[in-house]
Amino acid sequence: AQSVTQLDSQVPVFEEAPVELRCNYSSSVSVYLFWYVQYPNQGLQLLLKYLSGSTLVKGINGFEAEFNKSQTSFHLRKPSVHISDTAEYFCAVMSHRKIIFGKGTRLHILP
Amino acid sequence: EAGVTQFPSHSVIEKGQTVTLRCDPISGHDNLYWYRRVMGKEIKFLLHFVKESKQDESGMPNNRFLAERTGGTYSTLKVQPAELEDSGVYFCASSQDLGLAGGPLNEQFFGPGTRLTVL
Repeated sequence: AQSVTQLDSQVPVFEEAPVELRCNYSSSVSVYLFWYVQYPNQGLQLLLKYLSGSTLVKGINGFEAEFNKSQTSFHLRKPSVHISDTAEYFCAVMSHRKIIFGKGTRLHILP
Repeated sequence: EAGVTQFPSHSVIEKGQTVTLRCDPISGHDNLYWYRRVMGKEIKFLLHFVKESKQDESGMPNNRFLAERTGGTYSTLKVQPAELEDSGVYFCASSQDLGLAGGPLNEQFFGPGTRLTVL
């Protein structure tokens, strides 16, 4: 069965500093990977997705993620965060049309 | 274009009562999904409709949960009777149907969720 592990439940980072949110997956078949974001009091929004092709995927709001098959990872990065990036981030994998989510990582931006 | 909407946004009920959650998908989306997140846990799949038919209900926790999608438009999720462990946020999502070839291209668009609190 496919699963997703987000190693950090919370990540504090200073404004304008870089950030990496870690995600590892387990899958024995083709992998379709996603990052979703949930801003306070809002629904889930797709940040980016990896389906095939280039392993570096660029998403909205300056985020990017790199698919690493050998390390079964799909870490999310941003070179410089802003207060508006305060949110909870979910790594996910698609399996038979249903999405399997990680537990989420809360990103706290420190002034 | 309106996104996925859910009603109510919050619901507080007592144990043993009944609650019905509603989801209106994006117009024209045949696929409708329910997910939920209980406190401290990950978001988990509940079930998937294709039009009015249940395609996959493997995630439904027990028979206290009943989902319907009459006419293939909006969907309701009823919890009867509610238990304390049902508290959490219930998300609905919808997607177009690009067929099997579409696979992961059938992006799921999520609603804002309904926060259910059972006391």
